[in-house]
Amino acid sequence: NAGVTQTPKFQVLKTGQSMTLQCAQDMNHNSMYWYRQDPGMGLRLIYYSASEGTTDKGEVPNGYNVSRLNKREFSLRLESAAPSQTSVYFCASSEKLGNTIYFGEGSWLTVV
Amino acid sequence: EDQVTQSPEALRLQEGESSSLNCSYTVSGLRGLFWYRQDPGKGPEFLFTLYSAGEEKEKERLKATLTKKESFLHITAPKPEDSATYLCAAAKTGGSQGNLIFGKGTKLSVKP
Repeated sequence: NAGVTQTPKFQVLKTGQSMTLQCAQDMNHNSMYWYRQDPGMGLRLIYYSASEGTTDKGEVPNGYNVSRLNKREFSLRLESAAPSQTSVYFCASSEKLGNTIYFGEGSWLTVV
Repeated sequence: EDQVTQSPEALRLQEGESSSLNCSYTVSGLRGLFWYRQDPGKGPEFLFTLYSAGEEKEKERLKATLTKKESFLHITAPKPEDSATYLCAAAKTGGSQGNLIFGKGTKLSVKP
């Protein structure tokens, strides 16, 4: 019973490189989310998917794209990484919007 | 503006010394108030959801309460393993916004 699984756990990128963070949940949840967590800023929503086939911007979407591949999987892509995107990224899911959100273990991204 | 404020930012307790963490919220239409525990290097772990003023929930040494303006997380006779950062978050009613509004957390340290 894995819950929410994210890969990779650690990544170092050079400015301008691209990468995709992968996320999968096995709880049959409809809604999925990507958050970033920075010191002193708390958790901030990047993008979310209310249900399969839909995605919406959150509080800090600039520089990111997402894909809801199917009900289980929700990926986050950085097209041209910038040092300001150095952060810890959390994928999460919930049965539906507004319900309890369950988080993955996090992906530590450093952009140099 | 919707906002969640947690206090204190950090709290040091001796083992067995009971205390409370505060979460004040200004949200137009509260759907639910959530408490999470986050250990270093890990994702937030769900603790409680409270839906209406007067509601209380308990789990081991933790009890969460909710009023119309704030929530408290009471810790009774804490142990060193209770050391963590505790996050609260508010979910709004209505609309398509999938966001939980997170506070910045209270870092709790319990010394033996």
